[in-house]
Amino acid sequence: NAGVTQTPKFRILKIGQSMTLQCTQDMNHNYMYWYRQDPGMGLKLIYYSVGAGITDKGEVPNGYNVSRSTTEDFPLRLELAAPSQTSVYFCASSYSTSSYNEQFFGPGTRLTVL
Amino acid sequence: AQKVTQAQTEISVVEKEDVTLDCVYETRDTTYYLFWYKQPPSGELVFLIRRNSFDEQNEISGRYSWNFQKSTSSFNFTITASQVVDSAVYFCALSEARRGADGLTFGKGTHLIIQP
Repeated sequence: NAGVTQTPKFRILKIGQSMTLQCTQDMNHNYMYWYRQDPGMGLKLIYYSVGAGITDKGEVPNGYNVSRSTTEDFPLRLELAAPSQTSVYFCASSYSTSSYNEQFFGPGTRLTVL
Repeated sequence: AQKVTQAQTEISVVEKEDVTLDCVYETRDTTYYLFWYKQPPSGELVFLIRRNSFDEQNEISGRYSWNFQKSTSSFNFTITASQVVDSAVYFCALSEARRGADGLTFGKGTHLIIQP
C-alpha cells in the first residue's frame, strides 16, 4: 500500500494563478482531510470529506475548493492564489471519524505564492 | 471550545538525555481522545499514540512513554535515552467525541533537537 500520496511536492505560483493539489489514498478510507501548516503553527483544517460526494468546510476554507468524486481522490483547488496561501499542505485520511481513529498523512505539498 | 497548548516551542538536548514534551489540553467534554504525532525532517506526520479520556494508564513503548493525567489536563510525552533520530517536531492533538470529522485540534508543536 502506498498510503496517502500527494502531488506535487513543491510548487511556486504567481499571485492570481490557479492550481490543484492532488491527493490519493489506497486504504479505502471514507474520511479525507486537507490541512495547512504555517511556520510555528499547528495544522489547520481547510476542508474534509466523509465520503464520495460529500464535503464540508473546516476552520480555514476561504480561497479553496474541494471535490470528492471517488473514495480514493480528494483534490484541493486554489482559484486565485494569494501570498497568504503560502504554506505546507497536508492531505490525510482515516477509517472513520477522527474523534477516535488516527489520521494517516501524506508527505505534504510546499506551496509558495509570490 | 477545545484547545491544545504545547508551551515548549523548541527543546535541545544532548543524545542519551531524557526529555519530556508537555501537552496541556482544554475541553468541556467528558469523552475525548488525545494523540501524539511525530513530524520528522522529511515532513510527513506519523501517528505515535492515541489515548481516550477514560484510560489514564500510562503507556510505555520502548524508549517512549506517555503520562496522561486528567487532574491536570495533561498528556506528556517522555523519550528516554534520546537519539538523534528522535529529532523532529512533535504534535499533541485533541478530539472531542461529540464532534464530527472536523474535530481534531492540534497544538503548535514542539521542535525537538537531539545533538550528537
